[in-house]
Amino acid sequence: AQKITQTQPGMFVQEKEAVTLDCTYDTSDPSYGLFWYKQPSSGEMIFLIYQGSYDQQNATEGRYSLNFQKARKSANLVISASQLGDSAMYFCAMREGSSNTGKLIFGQGTTLQVKP
Amino acid sequence: DVKVTQSSRYLVKRTGEKVFLECVQDMDHENMFWYRQDPGLGLRLIYFSYDVKMKEKGDIPEGYSVSREKKERFSLILESASTNQTSMYLCASSRDGINSPLHFGNGTRLTVT
Repeated sequence: AQKITQTQPGMFVQEKEAVTLDCTYDTSDPSYGLFWYKQPSSGEMIFLIYQGSYDQQNATEGRYSLNFQKARKSANLVISASQLGDSAMYFCAMREGSSNTGKLIFGQGTTLQVKP
Repeated sequence: DVKVTQSSRYLVKRTGEKVFLECVQDMDHENMFWYRQDPGLGLRLIYFSYDVKMKEKGDIPEGYSVSREKKERFSLILESASTNQTSMYLCASSRDGINSPLHFGNGTRLTVT
């Protein structure tokens, strides 16, 4: 079974509007961390934001915020005031606390295109 | 800033060749990882290492091996390259800790013909 699911292969958003990228996860581990990465066409993976399973508040980093709904096992990324430079592929990832590897499990990714 | 450097941006190899992908990090991170990225599949873990000379198989280790002789360097080896190993290979490193992000290199796009 997929541990991380991103159901939107591609998304469009108008410049200056907000956009939500969906991510659902599956784990029985009570301790876990959720990450979002951005991958522009140049290929580098850029860490955006982190949410811990025990964090009481939704994480925010500048124009990025994470809509964390623990009961629904969703961790959607919200980008406010979209910019042309936000056009990229976005990956959601999870680290399980019981894992002794420290590995991140990644979703399939969502391609976001910002229209001028 | 953490820097993870992959030795090659693009590689073209022939079927059956032995291929070495090198990765170096400069932040004294304990953990290092090799992922491959394919369209529609996201990133899949090939191997990882949590200490010098220590390695563990990831989700898709078949056809690959790794070497970590020094803390800063983690090498991925394709013993006999095949066309289904044509992919983007990403190296990453991290500290211990559930909230520690992975820091990635720029990737190596490998084509096996």
